[in-house]
Amino acid sequence: EAGVVQSPRYKIIEKKQPVAFWCNPISGHNTLYWYLQNLGQGPELLIRYENEEAVDDSQLPKDRFSAERLKGVDSTLKIQPAELGDSAVYLCASSSRWGGDTDTQYFGPGTRLTVL
Amino acid sequence: AQKVTQAQTEISVVEKEDVTLDCVYETRDTTYYLFWYKQPPSGELVFLIRRNSFDEQNEISGRYSWNFQKSTSSFNFTITASQVVDSAVYFCALGSNYQLIWGAGTKLIIKP
Repeated sequence: EAGVVQSPRYKIIEKKQPVAFWCNPISGHNTLYWYLQNLGQGPELLIRYENEEAVDDSQLPKDRFSAERLKGVDSTLKIQPAELGDSAVYLCASSSRWGGDTDTQYFGPGTRLTVL
Repeated sequence: AQKVTQAQTEISVVEKEDVTLDCVYETRDTTYYLFWYKQPPSGELVFLIRRNSFDEQNEISGRYSWNFQKSTSSFNFTITASQVVDSAVYFCALGSNYQLIWGAGTKLIIKP
């Protein structure tokens, strides 16, 4: 079974430019998460989706960050415009609401963003 | 408030030594989950184990073992006969109401 897929793996942009990250969760997982991870720290939740609905976006900086999961499968996270402080690893995770593995989050490889 | 404390910032041992990573949590929820994840230098967070709050059985998987004690709110992780490939940052996390509360992580260095 394929794991969580993310692209790109690395992205270098100049400040004020837009950037987008893509995530495809594990097949059948209805819950999708976007996290931000700074060096030496644990992940910080940005947004959680249940199917196509954003059920927790309280930590998403909505002035510059946006996300969508239109068909309840893959998702895109966008930053516009990017700032120097946005340099971090952006992680996507997914989980299932069913079965004995309920709510265990499985992570993708992440996208390392560098803003110059 | 919910909180996860991993007091050991960094641990360095020589290969083949046993090492224990500590995790202490705080929660008022009666139902919760505890997790350990491994993050090697490649950066991907790898799921290791999940424990439900009502299941205090310890678990062993190869060289890995976990000791869950509700009385002390701890969920410690032991690696027996450590290997260089075990070098990574290990995160403990508390799961409740679809959220994960993460510890700060313990960087484990296994020297050959």
